[in-house]
Amino acid sequence: ILNVEQSPQSLHVQEGDSTNFTCSFPSSNFYALHWYRWETAKSPEALFVMTLNGDEKKKGRISATLNTKEGYSYLYIKGSQPEDSATYLCAFTSGTYKYIFGTGTRLKVLA
Amino acid sequence: SAVISQKPSRDICQRGTSLTIQCQVDSQVTMMFWYRQQPGQSLTLIATANQGSEATYESGFVIDKFPISRPNLTFSTLTVSNMSPEDSSIYLCSVEVTERDAFFGQGTRLTVV
Repeated sequence: ILNVEQSPQSLHVQEGDSTNFTCSFPSSNFYALHWYRWETAKSPEALFVMTLNGDEKKKGRISATLNTKEGYSYLYIKGSQPEDSATYLCAFTSGTYKYIFGTGTRLKVLA
Repeated sequence: SAVISQKPSRDICQRGTSLTIQCQVDSQVTMMFWYRQQPGQSLTLIATANQGSEATYESGFVIDKFPISRPNLTFSTLTVSNMSPEDSSIYLCSVEVTERDAFFGQGTRLTVV
């Protein structure tokens, strides 16, 4: 059974703090690792698609790294803002259409 | 990219009734997917809907409980039948435009009382 785990489940940070979350996934049959940002009542928004070991991607204040050999990815948010409050999902694929999602990390940024 | 309109956004339903969720895509797509997220759990694939054929259900999900229609390449419905409180979840439809890009509807938050 393929399992994707995210930690922490939730966290509260102060505005301006930097934070990071972890996604652990199977290291075998790896094809891609996806990060999504999901706000309540909105569609999950794609942040990154990562495929190569050692990949580092950045989008504004958000960045992500990938280690396929040990099966983990980190998502970093620098200088958190209240608008960053959302659930951050990661999803693993092994080259098929099936996405295996983690339970998400619920971030609340306090002004 | 693809824009998906999902309805309803939320509903509160009585146990024993059924609810049909609709997803409309702004472009033609071969495969549409239906997910469920129960409280505290991860998004889990219910089934894959292809136009012109029966949906393919994942382990633990059956057609009688979650009938799916896919009448054309831009539309699909998922029905949650004979609902119980355990069906209270967020239901999400999705399409995969490329093998690396998936797009999602806004979700349907269902509460069964």
